[in-house]
Amino acid sequence: EAQVTQNPRYLITVTGKKLTVTCSQNMNHEYMSWYRQDPGLGLRQIYYSMNVEVTDKGDVPEGYKVSRKEKRNFPLILESPSPNQTSLYFCASSSLGGGQFFGPGTRLTVL
Amino acid sequence: EDQVTQSPEALRLQEGESSSLNCSYTVSGLRGLFWYRQDPGKGPEFLFTLYSAGEEKEKERLKATLTKKESFLHITAPKPEDSATYLCAVLGAGGTSYGKLTFGQGTILTVHP
Repeated sequence: EAQVTQNPRYLITVTGKKLTVTCSQNMNHEYMSWYRQDPGLGLRQIYYSMNVEVTDKGDVPEGYKVSRKEKRNFPLILESPSPNQTSLYFCASSSLGGGQFFGPGTRLTVL
Repeated sequence: EDQVTQSPEALRLQEGESSSLNCSYTVSGLRGLFWYRQDPGKGPEFLFTLYSAGEEKEKERLKATLTKKESFLHITAPKPEDSATYLCAVLGAGGTSYGKLTFGQGTILTVHP
């Protein structure tokens, strides 16, 4: 089944404790991206990648890191999480220029 | 900077009452305009991609159209199961916009039986 998977689905952590949210796709897509969704602010792009070893900043990259060492994986790293990073996070993938397939989301709470 | 504005913010319809959602955009070179449907607590679900002005796409009760400044999502004879948030997004092509996807705030559609 074609899908984008994210783990964990729910995470509660404390300020400053490094965490990684994994994202994997099985559709051989070149393009992968991370978004955060907050009430009243909609979906905002954090980082995106158009191919292996190629990443670019979206609209809200501060406080986040990504890497694309393999085509199928695109982890999101929060090296020192803060409460303002509490949000619902989505990973997505697509062919270049195509419609994106989204993962189920990761609900992150930073205390 | 790319911008996407959707209207109305919320729309309530009776079952069978057709209507349209609007997505206005400004972008440095449009590589694609996308429509998504999102149910509460779930990831957006891809509906359509439009690439050039004049293009139209249809799927069941939904039809998306594109001009140089805006896109419409027409909903014909909606049913309660069409209730969701509908999101519009643009993929930029120029300068720092290349590869960036910008979403609108969405339109919350409620269809009453």
